[in-house]
Amino acid sequence: DGGITQSPKYLFRKEGQNVTLSCEQNLNHDAMYWYRQDPGQGLRLIYYSQIVNDFQKGDIAEGYSVSREKKESFPLTVTSAQKNPTAFYLCASRLLSGELFFGEGSRLTVL
Amino acid sequence: AQSVTQLGSHVSVSEGALVLLRCNYSSSVPPYLFWYVQYPNQGLQLLLKYTSAATLVKGINGFEAEFKKSETSFHLTKPSAHMSDAAEYFCAVSDGMGSGNTPLVFGKGTRLSVIA
Repeated sequence: DGGITQSPKYLFRKEGQNVTLSCEQNLNHDAMYWYRQDPGQGLRLIYYSQIVNDFQKGDIAEGYSVSREKKESFPLTVTSAQKNPTAFYLCASRLLSGELFFGEGSRLTVL
Repeated sequence: AQSVTQLGSHVSVSEGALVLLRCNYSSSVPPYLFWYVQYPNQGLQLLLKYTSAATLVKGINGFEAEFKKSETSFHLTKPSAHMSDAAEYFCAVSDGMGSGNTPLVFGKGTRLSVIA
């Protein structure tokens, strides 16, 4: 079945470490997105990519980086520059009809 | 810039009662509007969407929403709540497809509790 796979589902990190969250899709979608979710704040856009080898910053890109070398993959790196990285991270791709299709999310906890 | 306001961070209803979750949007162009549902520690699932066709949109699990341009609203309703409806609900807006893959802007969410 087609879908989006995010891994790992749970991740613990020590302060000062970079971590990379994986997002893979087999839906053949061009556009992909990373959102961050915190309690009571909804979803906030980190980065998005409309096509391979191109991506744009969202509203809260500071402390994060992405790459889009393949259509299927859009990994997110949370760097040590992100001051408050503990959150639930959601990856999504976009259907031609406009809506987003989401992965199951990755929960990052900084110890 | 687009924005979404969801009125009420938490709504509680009795099982069998009407569910009404409110969403108001702001957009300078004709919008596409969406409602998503999220269960704990899971991703978001699309409930329904408005894309400039019929103003009353029916979705999954018995939910529906009505687009009211004059009120800039897109409230979500369900005639009779079920225990399985307890979840977090998000309203989202984007430009119409003429703007390409403009990111969706989400509201802060409304947590729905259903009391037996």
